[in-house]
Amino acid sequence: GIQVEQSPPDLILQEGANSTLRCNFSDSVNNLQWFHQNPWGQLINLFYIPSGTKQNGRLSATTVATERYSLLYISSSQTTDSGVYFCATVGASGTYKYIFGTGTRLKVLA
Amino acid sequence: NAGVTQTPKFQVLKTGQSMTLQCAQDMNHNSMYWYRQDPGMGLRLIYYSASEGTTDKGEVPNGYNVSRLNKREFSLRLESAAPSQTSVYFCASSNTGGGYEQYFGPGTRLTVT
Repeated sequence: GIQVEQSPPDLILQEGANSTLRCNFSDSVNNLQWFHQNPWGQLINLFYIPSGTKQNGRLSATTVATERYSLLYISSSQTTDSGVYFCATVGASGTYKYIFGTGTRLKVLA
Repeated sequence: NAGVTQTPKFQVLKTGQSMTLQCAQDMNHNSMYWYRQDPGMGLRLIYYSASEGTTDKGEVPNGYNVSRLNKREFSLRLESAAPSQTSVYFCASSNTGGGYEQYFGPGTRLTVT
């Protein structure tokens, strides 16, 4: 099955800094989602982005499907951005079996 | 719209006890999913239901059963709980499976002693 790897595993930033999180996948995909899990455990949808670029405020994401990776950009980070960021996908074969990466744990310091 | 709801929020079981986790969605989605998340880990798929009346195993199905009661509801049952099933359980739904965005419930924190 498809493998999903995220980097870096941990990231500590000073408030106001920018960061890039990466998600690599081992096969073609027709679905790629980014989630933020906040410190209370809630999973928040950030982007549904099987290809191309999307922006939402200080966050943006780019998926280059042909090269099998996706990037999540966080600009002007805030303490509320702290938590774990996951990417998840299924293979292009149409399986319903979503695979999650192991996440990037972000801590933003005031 | 409430989105995806789960009950209960917290549960403590003794080894060998059984329980059912409930999930409901009000987005008219066809597909529903159950995941578990162990500490410091990503989510792993337990079972999914591509559409009403169908269920299939995910990555870690052993020790669980599911029922797709109707289009709105998808339950997860632990017949004989084990300490290894201590985890946070998330339910999700999507419009039709692999090509569509998933939406998650708030989770159930289960401890088995």
